[in-house]
Amino acid sequence: QSVLTQPPSASGTPGQRVTISCSGGSSNIGSNFVYWYQQLPGTAPKLLIYRNNQRPSGVPDRFSGSKSGTSASLAISGLRSEDEADYFCASWDDSLSGVVFGGGTKLTVL
Amino acid sequence: EVQLVESAGGLVQPGGSLRLSCAVSGFTVSNNYMSWVRQAPGKGLEWVSVIYSGGNTYYADSVKGRFTISRHNSKNTLYLQMNSLRTEDTAVYYCARLHYGDYAPDHWGQGTLVTVSS
Repeated sequence: QSVLTQPPSASGTPGQRVTISCSGGSSNIGSNFVYWYQQLPGTAPKLLIYRNNQRPSGVPDRFSGSKSGTSASLAISGLRSEDEADYFCASWDDSLSGVVFGGGTKLTVL
Repeated sequence: EVQLVESAGGLVQPGGSLRLSCAVSGFTVSNNYMSWVRQAPGKGLEWVSVIYSGGNTYYADSVKGRFTISRHNSKNTLYLQMNSLRTEDTAVYYCARLHYGDYAPDHWGQGTLVTVSS
């Protein structure tokens, strides 16, 4: 049981916009930044969004993040086949003194 | 360029021990918060341990008392000593740097598979 809650799956057709939610609590998302990662099969997670809504260099602006209270969202616009992957949210948890993750959302591009 | 390279994992019998290392280049391990994160086959990411720049260490309840995180400053290397291994410890283990001030991973190693089985 992950500390942060994500839907297990999401899907969309090429060109569509999809959003993935991440719900937490006051000790994690409510008081710390949210990070998002993309993980392709057999590879390490790749940083997609940091500090709620910032993109590292090289990440397309089709990817965007937002946070409100104890929840966050990742939006992917102009969906492409290569976006098919697992997506994880993460945040520091002040109570655990550790990183907490969402269970991951498997994105399928139909 | 930032690089984190984990040592090879392997097959270990239940109750056995294994030490993972993570060789870092591009930044100084001792100046950063560093973590180990694992991923069981087909499952999500699970935080395992963190070592602060000041040396404090913390562990997930699932590994507390069995795993030890440490670092070697002159070798710029992070370690994870795993003792009393259980079948449920089978996972790909990643070392990661935690972003300064935010303490979420911003750089990851490639991962190494540890299999605990008889």
